[in-house]
Amino acid sequence: GEDVEQSLFLSVREGDSSVINCTYTDSSSTYLYWYKQEPGAGLQLLTYIFSNMDMKQDQRLTVLLNKKDKHLSLRIADTQTGDSAIYFCAERGDTGRRALTFGSGTRLQVQP
Amino acid sequence: GAGVSQSPSNKVTEKGKDVELRCDPISGHTALYWYRQRLGQGLEFLIYFQGNSAPDKSGLPSDRFSAERTGESVSTLTIQRTQQEDSAVYLCASSLSSPPYEQYFGPGTRLTVT
Repeated sequence: GEDVEQSLFLSVREGDSSVINCTYTDSSSTYLYWYKQEPGAGLQLLTYIFSNMDMKQDQRLTVLLNKKDKHLSLRIADTQTGDSAIYFCAERGDTGRRALTFGSGTRLQVQP
Repeated sequence: GAGVSQSPSNKVTEKGKDVELRCDPISGHTALYWYRQRLGQGLEFLIYFQGNSAPDKSGLPSDRFSAERTGESVSTLTIQRTQQEDSAVYLCASSLSSPPYEQYFGPGTRLTVT
C-alpha cells in the first residue's frame, strides 16, 4: 500500500529557514499537502501542490516536489517561535481510496 | 464561515461500553472523512463518505466500528464494546469533491477507554 515517511524532529533557531522533508511511494499521487498541528489542536491546512508542478510559493512557505524521486519538502523562511508545531505531509492518490495518506509528522522546535 | 465541528471534545468511557462521536462538516462539502490519531503518530484513515455513494469502509479496524452520514450533513462514528486500544483522537474532515480536494479538519474528539 501507499506509504509516506518523514523525519521525526527538526530544531532551528528563530530567523533561520526550516526545511521539512517527506518521501512517498504512491506513483499515482495527484495532490500533496502540508498540514500543521499545534498542541491540543486539530490539523490546519498550510498549502498543497499538484503533482505536475515542481514548486509552489506562498508567502514564507515554499514547497518543492521531485516527482521522479517521490520527494516533497516544505521550506519555512524566517522561522518564528509560533511555527513550533508538528508538520504532516499527506498525499492523495488517483486511484481507489480518496482519503489522504499521512506521514507520522515532523516536530519542529524553534529556539529563540 | 463555520468550520468542521466535532462533539464531544473529550470522552472518557469504561471498557466494554459503546460510544458515539459526532461530526458536523462544512456546509456544501459533499465529502466527509474520519481518521484516527494515536498518541505521537500520524493519521489513520477509517471511513469516507461521498454524497449518496456507498461509503468507503476499508479503513475500519474491526466490525466494532461503524459510521453513518445523513445526506451531506452530520456524521456519527460509533464504537461498540470499546477496548483500551481504541483510545485515540478521532478526527473528522470534509472537502469539496473537486480539485484540489482540500480537506479541512475539525478539532477532534479525544477518546480515553479506562
